[in-house]
Amino acid sequence: AQKITQTQPGMFVQEKEAVTLDCTYDTSDPSYGLFWYKQPSSGEMIFLIYQGSYDQQNATEGRYSLNFQKARKSANLVISASQLGDSAMYFCAMREFPQGGSEKLVFGKGTKLTVNP
Amino acid sequence: DTAVSQTPKYLVTQMGNDKSIKCEQNLGHDTMYWYKQDSKKFLKIMFSYNNKELIINETVPNRFSPKSPDKAHLNLHINSLELGDSAVYFCASSPSRLVNTEAFFGQGTRLTVV
Repeated sequence: AQKITQTQPGMFVQEKEAVTLDCTYDTSDPSYGLFWYKQPSSGEMIFLIYQGSYDQQNATEGRYSLNFQKARKSANLVISASQLGDSAMYFCAMREFPQGGSEKLVFGKGTKLTVNP
Repeated sequence: DTAVSQTPKYLVTQMGNDKSIKCEQNLGHDTMYWYKQDSKKFLKIMFSYNNKELIINETVPNRFSPKSPDKAHLNLHINSLELGDSAVYFCASSPSRLVNTEAFFGQGTRLTVV
């Protein structure tokens, strides 16, 4: 079963508008971390934002915020005031420590965001 | 200073050859990973090491053998390369046993098998 699901293969947004990239996850562990990474066309993986399972408040980092809904197991990324440079692949990831198992950092399949001028 | 460095960045080789990709991190992290990113951009974990000890070995052909001479290095050796091995391989590191820290990635190695 998919641990991380990103249902939007591609998204389009107008420059200066906000966009939400969806991510749902599946885990039975009480302690886990959720991450978003950006991969521009140049290929490097850039860390954007982190949300811990015990964090009471939604994480924010500049124009990035994470809409964390624990009961729904969703961790959507919101990018405000989109810029042309935001065009990239975006990956949602989860780090968990399964009981009796090994720590893992697993990724969703990604969403390709295109910002239109 | 590069935190996680991989060499080479590009690797073109013929089927059947044996090749290695090197990874080094200068962050003092205990955990290192290898990921394979296929043509559809899916990032699949291959291996994870913690303090030189293998802790995750996903369903990867045994032609792939990771080697960790010390906790700052995790190299990936691939024997008898096949066309399907063509992909981008990413090395990453993170402090171990801490959920609330991101993994730092190398710049990736684009492997092309011809």
